[in-house]
Amino acid sequence: GDSVTQTEGPVTLSEGTSLTVNCSYETKQYPTLFWYVQYPGEGPQLLFKVPKANEKGSNRGFEATYNKEATSFHLQKASVQESDSAVYYCALSDSNAGAKLTFGGGTRLTVRP
Amino acid sequence: GPKVLQIPSHQIIDMGQMVTLNCDPVSNHLYFYWYKQILGQQMEFLVNFYNGKVMEKSKLFKDQFSVERPDGSYFTLKIQPTALEDSAVYFCASSLDYEQYFGPGTRLTVL
Repeated sequence: GDSVTQTEGPVTLSEGTSLTVNCSYETKQYPTLFWYVQYPGEGPQLLFKVPKANEKGSNRGFEATYNKEATSFHLQKASVQESDSAVYYCALSDSNAGAKLTFGGGTRLTVRP
Repeated sequence: GPKVLQIPSHQIIDMGQMVTLNCDPVSNHLYFYWYKQILGQQMEFLVNFYNGKVMEKSKLFKDQFSVERPDGSYFTLKIQPTALEDSAVYFCASSLDYEQYFGPGTRLTVL
């Protein structure tokens, strides 16, 4: 079956420093890749998605490139803010409507002011 | 943005009893999902649902589990009877296509 592996947390950074959360995946299909963010007391919310290989997704300063050859989708941000403190999930699904999401284990990020 | 609501936020129940978790999905969405997250572990897919039918269910979706959405109202997950290993946070999601919107979760504790 499908699997997603991402950087184990927790990760603690100071404001203004850069972030990389590694994500790699295994699947036999042509997936759509996602990054979700979860704040305390809430469900995951979509940060961005990338349906096509070798394309980049971005939102709120976060970005990731769908690398089909390396089966990777690493999340990056050049300069983190305290408000970025949350749990980040890499996920994949096949490209059909209604398809399930397969999540990575999540990476808890804490940003110190 | 679109909101998915879940009721209740917490539920404590004795092992062997029945429990129903309720989800109020986004109004025009067509696909509905349940996921399970045990504390400190991965979010895992349970089941998805479309047009009144289960599309796919995982190995975690035991015979004691059932889902329905009667008359387009709440999308429900029923567990009967409950077991200790059912203690977890259950997240409901809905989507128009493949972009899923999640509720805040129901924390279920089975004693």
